[in-house]
This record gives sequence, C-alpha cells and structure tokens, in this order.
Amino acid sequence: GAVVSQHPSWVICKSGTSVKIECRSLDFQATTMFWYRQFPKQSLMLMATSNEGSKATYEQGVEKDKFLINHASLTLSTLTVTSAHPEDSSFYICSARDGTVRDYGYTFGSGTRLTVV
Amino acid sequence: AQKVTQAQTEISVVEKEDVTLDCVYETRDTTYYLFWYKQPPSGELVFLIRRNSFDEQNEISGRYSWNFQKSTSSFNFTITASQVVDSAVYFCALMKSARQLTFGSGTQLTVLP
Repeated sequence: GAVVSQHPSWVICKSGTSVKIECRSLDFQATTMFWYRQFPKQSLMLMATSNEGSKATYEQGVEKDKFLINHASLTLSTLTVTSAHPEDSSFYICSARDGTVRDYGYTFGSGTRLTVV
Repeated sequence: AQKVTQAQTEISVVEKEDVTLDCVYETRDTTYYLFWYKQPPSGELVFLIRRNSFDEQNEISGRYSWNFQKSTSSFNFTITASQVVDSAVYFCALMKSARQLTFGSGTQLTVLP
C-alpha cells in the first residue's frame, strides 16, 4: 500500500533555530499534502494544505512566515519551523493523498515529535 | 461548518469486555466520508475504516464493527472482546469533497489486563 516516509521522527532543537521536517510519498504521487499539529492529549489540528507546485493554504491562526511549507515535487513536501520557540514543541504529522485517483484515502506519515529547549 | 464530537475523553475496560466509542458529526453536505483512526503511543495514525455517506451498511472486521446511522449523525465503533493491544487513542474524522479531514478530539481507550 501507499506509504509516506516522514523524517525525522523526533528532534530536539535550541530556541531560535530552524527545523525542517520532510515527508516523502513512496510509490504514489502526493498531489496534495496536509500538515497537522498535535499538542499532548489533544486532537490533530490542520495547519496547512499544499498542492504540488502551488503555495500552501494556511489555516486561520497559523503563521505562514513561521511554518514554511514547500511542495515542489509530487513526492516531497517539507515543513520548516523557523525561529522555533518552546511553544512550538508539538507532534507534527503529514498526510498525503493522490488526487489523480478516485480514492479518498489519506496516507499519514509517522509523525515528528519536536521539542524546543 | 463541520464538526466531529467524541464525547468520551477516556474509557477504561478490562480485557475481554466489549467497548463502544461514540462519534457524532455535523455537516451540511450530502456527500461526505467518515473515518476512524487508531493512534498508539508511538504516534502514528493507523487507518481503520472509511465510510461514505451513501452507504449505511454496518461493517464488521474481525473484532471491530461500525454502526453508521445518518438519522442520528453517528458513526460508532465497537471493539468486541477487547485486548490490551487495543489501548490507544481513537479518532473519528469527517471529510467532505476530497478535502482535509476534520478530527474529533479523540477517545483514550485503556484496556486493563
């Protein structure tokens, strides 16, 4: 089945630095990528939606200059947390779907646990 | 606006008991999809089921079963003869028109030995 490889699975960084999270679709074309954030014991909240080759659409309240999303190819999307602060510590997870097929399935990455110290 | 409500925040059962996780949704669309996902402590989301709004047949898969009732906007999930490995957070989610998922707040299920 479809697989999305997400790296790193966990990262610790110093406050003020930037962190890049990658999601790669294996064996399918990720025409659309969704990025979610999940705080401890909470639900997944959509941060942004990106279509390959287009600028990402951010949800209300999500700073686009802080959470940079790049979806330049059909198999790779990246989320960069710029100038990270402790309040950005969270679990980030991507989800990809192949819009070229009539299938409303989503394939999730395994998630990245970010800790900013 | 779409909304998914999982009123049960935490449930604890003893192994071999049956347990039902509730999910109530709100949408104005006539075409939509409902999902259930399992999130074990490791964090990844495990897909369990997808159901479209035109298919109200209940489904059974091993120890898992789902009851979809449009009349009450509910899509409940039952685990029969629960096992310790079923311990996880379970999310119900709603999607319309091939767009993003709206997740419920999740139910933490703990199965005690």
